Amino acid sequence: QKEVEQDPGPLSVPEGAIVSLNCTYSNSAFQYFMWYRQYSRKGPELLMYTYSSGNKEDGRFTAQVDKSSKYISLFIRDSQPSDSATYLCATPSGSASKIIFGSGTRLSIRP
Amino acid sequence: DTGVSQNPRHKITKRGQNVTFRCDPISEHNRLYWYRQTLGQGPEFLTYFQNEAQLEKSRLLSDRFSAERPKGSFSTLEIQRTEQGDSAMYLCASSLLESGNTIYFGEGSWLTVV
Repeated sequence: QKEVEQDPGPLSVPEGAIVSLNCTYSNSAFQYFMWYRQYSRKGPELLMYTYSSGNKEDGRFTAQVDKSSKYISLFIRDSQPSDSATYLCATPSGSASKIIFGSGTRLSIRP
Repeated sequence: DTGVSQNPRHKITKRGQNVTFRCDPISEHNRLYWYRQTLGQGPEFLTYFQNEAQLEKSRLLSDRFSAERPKGSFSTLEIQRTEQGDSAMYLCASSLLESGNTIYFGEGSWLTVV
């Protein structure tokens, strides 16, 4: 079992829709979670990070962690074609120096 | 701030040749990481440095791979006797130890072994 699992998609939604991207993780010791956005043939860029359970909002983006079910989510409101990218969830594993990533969900926003 | 810089961005090489990638981290970042990413997968951890010391290496890093960070500034990743399975994007990232787990990636170096 991978430590962080993510549905690869692709996920295609119309512009303006609310998007929900999800990851599950296996180790209950994980406490810090990140979402990265990666455009085609570019490096990942940090979108949001969050500690522990609950929600964190940043503009149109909301990150949510449910530790009881080991489930993390990223919600995008009022989605735009420019949001079309691959979204990667990530968390430090073992030593804090090693960040592990899910396989990424490819998102496409249709104009 | 110019971010993490990687060179070359693209490299096509014949099987069996050696290749070297360079990474210049964000200024004053004391941690530097190398990751590998193949199509449809997330980045996989290869190794990381704290200043000039290489503190952790993944089992993915075979003996054909070597990374250095002389003087704790830029880093190089060398792949010897390349194989077709080495074709991937090699990502460098950096962070400040004091800022926790947030790492910042470069644009990556694409390697194609033919």
